[in-house]
Amino acid sequence: DAMVIQNPRYQVTQFGKPVTLSCSQTLNHNVMYWYQQKSSQAPKLLFHYYDKDFNNEADTPDNFQSRRPNTSFCFLDIRSPGLGDAAMYLCATSRGGDRTKNIQYFGAGTRLSVL
Amino acid sequence: GDSVTQMEGPVTLSEEAFLTINCTYTATGYPSLFWYVQYPGEGLQLLLKATKADDKGSNKGFEATYRKETTSFHLEKGSVQVSDSAVYFCALSEDTGGFKTIFGAGTRLFVKA
Repeated sequence: DAMVIQNPRYQVTQFGKPVTLSCSQTLNHNVMYWYQQKSSQAPKLLFHYYDKDFNNEADTPDNFQSRRPNTSFCFLDIRSPGLGDAAMYLCATSRGGDRTKNIQYFGAGTRLSVL
Repeated sequence: GDSVTQMEGPVTLSEEAFLTINCTYTATGYPSLFWYVQYPGEGLQLLLKATKADDKGSNKGFEATYRKETTSFHLEKGSVQVSDSAVYFCALSEDTGGFKTIFGAGTRLFVKA
């Protein structure tokens, strides 16, 4: 089945130790998103790619970076994780185009713990 | 900017009760509206959508009608089941030119047997 896959499901890192989360998709969608979701809150958009065009949200800390080497893969790099970065990180895709096509398909998420 | 406001939870219901989760939105353009559901430990998944005024989205017994005059998109289900326990997010997709979805804060639903 076509889907959005995130690895790993659970990631533990140490304070200040760089960490990379990965996302792959078999939907061949143009747009890939990274969200941060803390407990009992709405997903917060960090950035998104439309094809190779990167779009950073204004309030996304510089500590968060992303790479999209090809259509299928997208990575979230946290350069120096702090305790406040512990959260669920969700990857999503959409076809792009007009608003009626902008259904988002989510992966199961990676839960990041920072010790 | 655009925003989505939904009723605070948690909402606790007995099985077979009627469910309503209110959602209102603010948008400068003509958005598409969505309900997403998140089961414990999982990502969000689309429950239903509506793309123009008076459209009714429906899926798995859930319904919501796009009301432009009241800027609302309330979620309803006539008879909830224990398996409906989850967090429900109302969302909108911006008018042409944008690829972002704006989510409400989510409403947690507990259904008791």
